[in-house]
Amino acid sequence: EAEVAQSPRYKITEKSQAVAFWCDPISGHATLYWYRQILGQGPELLVQFQDESVVDDSQLPKDRFSAERLKGVDSTLKIQPAELGDSAMYLCASSPGGTGNTIYFGEGSWLTVV
Amino acid sequence: GQQVMQIPQYQHVQEGEDFTTYCNSSTTLSNIQWYKQRPGGHPVFLIQLVKSGEVKKQKRLTFQFGEAKKNSSLHITATQTTDVGTYFCAGPPQTGANNLFFGTGTRLTVIP
Repeated sequence: EAEVAQSPRYKITEKSQAVAFWCDPISGHATLYWYRQILGQGPELLVQFQDESVVDDSQLPKDRFSAERLKGVDSTLKIQPAELGDSAMYLCASSPGGTGNTIYFGEGSWLTVV
Repeated sequence: GQQVMQIPQYQHVQEGEDFTTYCNSSTTLSNIQWYKQRPGGHPVFLIQLVKSGEVKKQKRLTFQFGEAKKNSSLHITATQTTDVGTYFCAGPPQTGANNLFFGTGTRLTVIP
């Protein structure tokens, strides 16, 4: 069964350092999402791509977060500089695209900022 | 903005007891999806409901979409320890959107 691949699974970084997460969606999925999930809460959308274009980044803290999907396949989410409040799980997800499609999540990248 | 609340926030049940979580949206939803997240895991898709009043069953799980398409419920009959996890409902933030706005979740603990 095809899966969304993410790396690293776990990352500990000091505040003010840079950190990056990588995601490879399910093959053929046009839509890619980055969600952030704080412990005990539901996932919150950070950014959504349709192919290589950003569809929604309204909740992305653009002063420190950036995301790209240059060739419309895999994607990178970067945080610079990291802050203590960024500690969370960063979930990548993908869907075939179109309204009402199921969203499939990767295993997530756990970030701890110390 | 859109709000999707789930109650209860936490539920402890004895194995074999039934469990229900309720999802209420501040806006009408074109569809609603349910996800399960095991402790330490990632959300896994369970089901999607689209029609007003729709009821779907998956073995011991029964999902219902309200007539007004603003609420939904998940009922588990005779819980098992494998049902442990957090159950999230989610819906599009606006009609036509193909991303999901997640509810607050209900964390289920099953006591053997």
